[in-house]
Amino acid sequence: DVKVTQSSRYLVKRTGEKVFLECVQDMDHENMFWYRQDPGLGLRLIYFSYDVKMKEKGDIPEGYSVSREKKERFSLILESASTNQTSMYLCASGEQYFGPGTRLTVT
Amino acid sequence: AQRVTQPEKLLSVFKGAPVELKCNYSYSGSPELFWYVQYSRQRLQLLLRHISRESIKGFTADLNKGETSFHLKKPFAQEEDSAMYYCALRRHSNYQLIWGAGTKLIIKP
Repeated sequence: DVKVTQSSRYLVKRTGEKVFLECVQDMDHENMFWYRQDPGLGLRLIYFSYDVKMKEKGDIPEGYSVSREKKERFSLILESASTNQTSMYLCASGEQYFGPGTRLTVT
Repeated sequence: AQRVTQPEKLLSVFKGAPVELKCNYSYSGSPELFWYVQYSRQRLQLLLRHISRESIKGFTADLNKGETSFHLKKPFAQEEDSAMYYCALRRHSNYQLIWGAGTKLIIKP
């Protein structure tokens, strides 16, 4: 059974905190993606990675960074969380497989 | 500019009625288009892609290059079709997806 897992379903952080969101896939996919999903805006690509240690900025990379040290794991980092980063974060592996999402609230 | 537009934020139809979810795109070159669906409290999943020319759960979508559209259709809506639907286009340059804002489909009993 194909699986994309995300480290947390719900997360509450304070402004200024460093936040780590992890995504793990077991399909040996090269391409992995981080999106944020906001009502009325659809999905917006933050970063994607096409191989270990390889990354490319998406449409809204500001305030985020990523890490891909192993093929199966793709991490999204909010260096200093802000309230406008409150959102649902979706990880995808390939074009077809999505994680359950992490709802992040920054207070 | 590369863009995907879903003009309806919300579409409400009665069970058994036909459904058409609109998707228009702007892209230079041959587009590769997808429909995704997200049921309540479930993860986003691929519904269909235009290159497969398949019918999934009774839904079909035809790419109309002249009208730059990829509308999703189903002849008879069912209550379980209620969900959020997203249209997406894949950039050939880097395989990234460009997403529409989504349409919430509500099927009334």
